[in-house]
Amino acid sequence: NAGVTQTPKFRILKIGQSMTLQCTQDMNHNYMYWYRQDPGMGLKLIYYSVGAGITDKGEVPNGYNVSRSTTEDFPLRLELAAPSQTSVYFCASSYGSGGGETQYFGPGTRLLVL
Amino acid sequence: GNSVTQMEGPVTLSEEAFLTINCTYTATGYPSLFWYVQYPGEGLQLLLKATKADDKGSNKGFEATYRKETTSFHLEKGSVQVSDSAVYFCALTLGTSGSRLTFGEGTQLTVNP
Repeated sequence: NAGVTQTPKFRILKIGQSMTLQCTQDMNHNYMYWYRQDPGMGLKLIYYSVGAGITDKGEVPNGYNVSRSTTEDFPLRLELAAPSQTSVYFCASSYGSGGGETQYFGPGTRLLVL
Repeated sequence: GNSVTQMEGPVTLSEEAFLTINCTYTATGYPSLFWYVQYPGEGLQLLLKATKADDKGSNKGFEATYRKETTSFHLEKGSVQVSDSAVYFCALTLGTSGSRLTFGEGTQLTVNP
């Protein structure tokens, strides 16, 4: 049971390039999330999904896109990378929606946009 | 809106000292409250949680009590160890928000031998 896995671990992008951050979970969780963590700050929600085919915006969705075609995978797409997107990105998953569920986090992807 | 405020860090303690990290929240409704911990170079992991008022969460010697009257969820440990050095995040979810976590800013704890 690997939990939540993310690839790549680290990436450098040039301004205007695009990339996809991969996230996979093997716990059969219905909810999945993408957060970004800026230095000295808490995590901010980018997008989330309540199940395959259903996604919704979080606090900071601009510049990102997501899709959820399977229960296991929740990729995050960056189009036209900007320096403001330099951050550490965390994917998470949980089961249920009552509000008290534990979220399980991946190890993160560190992105540097130059 | 919903928000979480943590005490400013960083916090530096000697081994076996008492730890308190303050956390207060603002929420429309009845949130569930969490403490997550992030060890260097790793993702976040749940430390403890409480889902209703007066509940006490506990794990690995850490405790926090859900105080509705003071809208607080302070983290405490009686005797810290070097291995407790990490960043600690207070967070909340509301049942109506799809379990989305709202995080505090995080508190960096360093424990010296």
